[in-house]
Amino acid sequence: DQQVKQNSPSLSVQEGRISILNCDYTNSMFDYFLWYKKYPAEGPTFLISISSIKDKNEDGRFTVFLNKSAKHLSLHIVPSQPGDSAVYFCAANSMEYGNKLVFGAGTILRVKS
Amino acid sequence: NAGVTQTPKFRILKIGQSMTLQCTQDMNHNYMYWYRQDPGMGLKLIYYSVGAGITDKGEVPNGYNVSRSTTEDFPLRLELAAPSQTSVYFCASSYGFGQDYYEQYFGPGTRLTVT
Repeated sequence: DQQVKQNSPSLSVQEGRISILNCDYTNSMFDYFLWYKKYPAEGPTFLISISSIKDKNEDGRFTVFLNKSAKHLSLHIVPSQPGDSAVYFCAANSMEYGNKLVFGAGTILRVKS
Repeated sequence: NAGVTQTPKFRILKIGQSMTLQCTQDMNHNYMYWYRQDPGMGLKLIYYSVGAGITDKGEVPNGYNVSRSTTEDFPLRLELAAPSQTSVYFCASSYGFGQDYYEQYFGPGTRLTVT
C-alpha cells in the first residue's frame, strides 16, 4: 500500500520554463513533507520542506504547495535549469512514525536546453 | 565534515555469501537509517537506530541485521545473500526528533549485485 505516490515517472521541460512535480498521499496523519533531489550515483539531498500548518513554502527558485484537503503537494521550479535534471522524491512524516520518512517512487525531471 | 560515508561503492556477491556494508557519519547525529532503492521504486526503510545500542526494524528488514555500538557507525549485515537483495543501499542520518529534525542526510550509496 503506497502511502506516498508520485504518479508521473518522468517529466520533460524546456529550460527557463516552470517544472511542476506532483505528489499525493493517503495518510491524513502525515504532518510534514519533504522533497529530495537525487543525481545519478549520488545519495538524495534535501531540497525543501513544508509543515502541514502551512500551504506554501518558498526557497529561491523552489516552491512547495500543500493542499491538505486534497492530500496533494507539488514542487514548482521556476525557472528550470539544465542542472535541475535529476530524480525528485517526495517524502512524508508524522509524529506516529517518529523520525522515519515514507518516500514516493520519484519523478525523473529532464530540463532541455 | 565528510557527512555520511559508505563503503564499498560497488560489490558483487554470489548467492549465499555474506557481507557488511559500512556507514559512518561525523555530524554527531542521533538517528541513523538504512534504505534500499530498487529500480522505479522509492526508498524502503530496512532498519533504523535512535542512538547507540538501540536499533529497530523498518519496512523491509528480512535478510538483514544491524548494530549500533557507537554514535558514528551503523553497519548493515547481509547474511546468505539472495538475488532479491540486488539493490542500491543508502545510509542516512538525522539529528533528533521533531519537525526541525526530520531532514535526513544521505550517503552516496552502495550498489550491490547478487548473482
